[in-house]
Amino acid sequence: KAGVTQTPRYLIKTRGQQVTLSCSPISGHRSVSWYQQTPGQGLQFLFEYFSETQRNKGNFPGRFSGRQFSNSRSEMNVSTLELGDSALYLCASRTGLNTDTQYFGPGTRLTVL
Amino acid sequence: QKEVEQDPGPLSVPEGAIVSLNCTYSNSAFQYFMWYRQYSRKGPELLMYTYSSGNKEDGRFTAQVDKSSKYISLFIRDSQPSDSATYLCAMSPSNTGNQFYFGTGTSLTVIP
Repeated sequence: KAGVTQTPRYLIKTRGQQVTLSCSPISGHRSVSWYQQTPGQGLQFLFEYFSETQRNKGNFPGRFSGRQFSNSRSEMNVSTLELGDSALYLCASRTGLNTDTQYFGPGTRLTVL
Repeated sequence: QKEVEQDPGPLSVPEGAIVSLNCTYSNSAFQYFMWYRQYSRKGPELLMYTYSSGNKEDGRFTAQVDKSSKYISLFIRDSQPSDSATYLCAMSPSNTGNQFYFGTGTSLTVIP
C-alpha cells in the first residue's frame, strides 16, 4: 500500500506571496491533518479534515487554510507569506474511525525569503 | 505552559546502551500515547502506540505510561547507530476526532 505523499518536496517563496501544498493520504484513509514543524516550536497542529469537512483547528492565523476533496486528497494554502512561515509542513493521514494510528508524509520544506 | 514537555537533548550514547526518553504532560484527559521516530529530512514514523497506563514492548522498544504522574517513557535496549534520530512523543484525549499533541522531540545519537 502506498504511503502518504506530499508535493512539492521543496519550495522557495518570497514574502507576500502565497503557496499551495498538496497531500495524498493512504488509500482508504479519510482523515488528513496538517502540521508545521520548526526547530523552536516542534510539531504544531494546523487543522484536520475528515470527509471534506474541517474537524479540528489549531491556533494559526487565517492566512493558513485548507480543504479536502472527495477523494480525500487535501491542499493547504498559506497567503501573504511571512519569514516566520519557513518550516517543514507535514501531512498525516489516518482512517479517522476507531484508530489513532497516524501516518506521516515526508513533508514539504518551505523557505520564505 | 505547553501541553506536552519533552527534553530536546541532544542525547549521545555508546552503541549497546539502554536509552531512556521521557515526556511529561499536563492534560489529565490524555488517554492515547504514541512515540514517533523521525530521521533527518523524513516525516515521523510511528514506533509505539499505547492506551492508558502500563507497559508495552515491541522488540528492543518498551513504552511506559504512568498516568498518575502524567509521565511517559520510551526505553531502547541494545541501542544501535541506526537508532540515531529525533524521537517525538504524542498524545490525544480520544481515539477519534481529536487532535494530537506533540512534544518538541529529543535528538538521539548512538555512537558506534
